[in-house]
Parts: sequence; C-alpha cells; structure tokens
Amino acid sequence: QSILTQPPSVSAAPGQRVTISCSGNSSNIGKNFVSWYQQLPGTAPRLLIYDNIKRPSEISDRFSGAKSGTSATLAIAGLQTGDEADYYCSTWDNSLSIGRGVFGGGTRLTVL
Amino acid sequence: QVQLQESGPRLVKPSETLSLTCTVSGGSMTNLYWSWIRQPPGKGLEWIGYVFHSGGTNYSPSFKDRVTISVDTSKNQFSLKLFSVSAADTAMYYCARGALYRYDYWGRGNLVTVST
Repeated sequence: QSILTQPPSVSAAPGQRVTISCSGNSSNIGKNFVSWYQQLPGTAPRLLIYDNIKRPSEISDRFSGAKSGTSATLAIAGLQTGDEADYYCSTWDNSLSIGRGVFGGGTRLTVL
Repeated sequence: QVQLQESGPRLVKPSETLSLTCTVSGGSMTNLYWSWIRQPPGKGLEWIGYVFHSGGTNYSPSFKDRVTISVDTSKNQFSLKLFSVSAADTAMYYCARGALYRYDYWGRGNLVTVST
C-alpha cells in the first residue's frame, strides 16, 4: 500500500487532455515539493515535473503540474499515442523521525 | 550529459548479500545526493535510500537494518548493499541522481533475481 494514492489507470483519446491525481497528507505533499515521472514500457523512469510545477528543459509543455494542499495533479494536453506509459508522483515524507522518499502506486495511461 | 550505469550480479541466492554499483559519468558527484530505487516485477517504485557526496546517508525504514549505501567520489561511483535477501527482493534496481524532491537522472536499471 503506497503512502501516496494515485488512480490505477486513466484513459483518453488522442488530442484530448487528461489529469492524474496524487493524494497524500500533511506529512508529505502538504509540506514538500512533488515530482512526477513517466515510465515508458521497458525503460527507466524519466523526470517530467519537479518542485510541483517546473519542467526540465527537454520536457514538452504539454505536461504540467499543480499542487493544492495535500494533493497534486499531473496534466497532459494534446495526448499522443507515445504518451502511453506509467506515471508516478513522488515527494518526501516526514511522518517518521527520519524522513523518507515516497512514491505513488503509479497510474497507467492508455491513449484510446 | 550526465549518465548513470548500474553494475552487479543478476542472480543472488537467498540469505546472501546483493551488491550493486552505480557509475556516474558526464558530471561531478559533488554537493549532490545519490539514490537507489527499486521496482519489483509488475509493481511500482520503492525508495531504498540515498547517500550525499560527503558520505551521509538516509535509508527507508523498510530496509534500515539490511542496507548500506556508500560513495566513492574518486571513482565517481556509489554502491548499494542489501543483506539477507529473499525472493521478495527480486526487482529492477535503479540508481538515480537526487533525493528528497527530485530524481533527475536515472540509470537503465539492473534486474536482480533472488533464487537458488
């Protein structure tokens, strides 16, 4: 059971916009930055979003992040078949005496 | 361009020690965090721990008593040792640059199977 909760799957048609949610609490998302990762089949994860809303220079502006309270959201606009992948949110959790890195359980995106 | 490459055995026997090394190229290790993350087959990502360039470490409570992460900046490498492994430790093991809020470069992963 992951500390951060994501929907197991989402789907949308090419060209549409989809959002993926990541829910946490006051010990993790509520007080720390969130990052998002894309994992294409058979490959290592790739950083999409960091510090809640920032994109590495090589990442398309079709990807955007947002955070409100104890939840974060990844949005993907203008869906392409190449966006089919697993997406993970991540942050730092301070609920224990020593902090730890945490990931969501992952969301599989299907482009119909 | 920063690149990370994991190396180590792909098969480890139960109760033995899993040892992996990550070699960093194209950039310095100075003033940066370096992490190990794993992914069991068909499952999600799990943070194992990190090492700072100066040697300071932080481990997930899930592994605290079984793991050691170390760094050798002279070789541009950092390493993972996971003791007393079982089948539940079968996973793809990734090394990554960063910790806390961002992992910006990842290795391709090293699939380790724990089996007799």
